[in-house]
Amino acid sequence: AQSVTQPDIHITVSEGASLELRCNYSYGATPYLFWYVQSPGQGLQLLLKYFSGDTLVQGIKGFEAEFKRSQSSFNLRKPSVHWSDAAEYFCAVESTQGAQKLVFGQGTRLTINP
Amino acid sequence: DGGITQSPKYLFRKEGQNVTLSCEQNLNHDAMYWYRQDPGQGLRLIYYSQIVNDFQKGDIAEGYSVSREKKESFPLTVTSAQKNPTAFYLCASSIEGAYTEAFFGQGTRLTVV
Repeated sequence: AQSVTQPDIHITVSEGASLELRCNYSYGATPYLFWYVQSPGQGLQLLLKYFSGDTLVQGIKGFEAEFKRSQSSFNLRKPSVHWSDAAEYFCAVESTQGAQKLVFGQGTRLTINP
Repeated sequence: DGGITQSPKYLFRKEGQNVTLSCEQNLNHDAMYWYRQDPGQGLRLIYYSQIVNDFQKGDIAEGYSVSREKKESFPLTVTSAQKNPTAFYLCASSIEGAYTEAFFGQGTRLTVV
């Protein structure tokens, strides 16, 4: 079964510092991968997605992610975080077992220190 | 503006009562989904529907029911059989299958009192 692991439950970084959120997936074929962001009490917003092609994908709000097949990873990065980036971040993979649907990781909560 | 509307934002229910959460989309999407979110557990799929008048159980369907009588509407009923219904519920839709990007509503927080 497809699965997604986000090893870090909570990360704290200082404003202006760089950020990397880890995501590992389990999938037999080439996966479709996503990163979503959720502000408290809100729905999820898509940051970026990978389907094929260039393994470095750019998203909104200055985020990027790199697909590494050899490591089964799809880590999210940002060179310099802003206080407004504080939120919860979810990595997801498309599951094709049964009908198409998303399988989510457990999420990483990001706190920004001023 | 196109989007997904969930209502109400907050809902309180007494134990033993059924309650229905509304989800409406005007994106002309075929597929719709209901997820449950609990702290530290990410999102878990309850039900999904890829076409009108058809829906399938997700990973945690017990105690829930849905209907899909119209393309734009996918209400979720939390029945009294759901043993731990207090959670944040998210509705989503996509063009055809999740890989084309799922759009999410703002969620409904259900509390059993």
